[in-house]
Amino acid sequence: DGGITQSPKYLFRKEGQNVTLSCEQNLNHDAMYWYRQDPGQGLRLIYYSQIVNDFQKGDIAEGYSVSREKKESFPLTVTSAQKNPTAFYLCASSNEVGGFEQYFGPGTRLTVT
Amino acid sequence: AQSVTQLDSHVSVSEGTPVLLRCNYSSSYSPSLFWYVQHPNKGLQLLLKYTSAATLVKGINGFEAEFKKSETSFHLTKPSAHMSDAAEYFCVVSFNAGNMLTFGGGTRLMVKP
Repeated sequence: DGGITQSPKYLFRKEGQNVTLSCEQNLNHDAMYWYRQDPGQGLRLIYYSQIVNDFQKGDIAEGYSVSREKKESFPLTVTSAQKNPTAFYLCASSNEVGGFEQYFGPGTRLTVT
Repeated sequence: AQSVTQLDSHVSVSEGTPVLLRCNYSSSYSPSLFWYVQHPNKGLQLLLKYTSAATLVKGINGFEAEFKKSETSFHLTKPSAHMSDAAEYFCVVSFNAGNMLTFGGGTRLMVKP
């Protein structure tokens, strides 16, 4: 089956710890994205990557970091510098950056206490 | 700057009655427009998309949307609601290939038996 996988589905961390969220796709898509979703709000773009070894900041990149060492993988690290990390995180991919439809993973719900 | 507004944060209908979810966008250019659906604690699934072809777009599960340039609207409709339609719906805009997607705030659709 082609698609996007995110793991784990639920993640719990103590304040002050870094945590890495996994995102893998087997759709052979060039572009990948990370979004954050808070209750009752739309999605906000954290980072995106058009090709391997290249990525760009989105609207809310502060406190997050990413890497793109392989085409199929785009992990997101939530650092201790992120002031309000508890949220639902969604990874997506597309054939080209932006204007084409994006395919979403099932999401990871991160809770930091 | 591009923006998209979903006019209702919550819509409640009875099963078997029509559904109307409203979306307006602002732009000087012709956009690509999408509707996505999100069930609780899940990723987003594409319902339909408009990319400058026919103005009436048919999607999955009986949904359709009409692009009205004069009104800068892209409202989502369905003739008869089903219980399984209860979910969050996002209107999404992209103004040209290479731009990021801009998400509306979402409309939560509730379907009463």
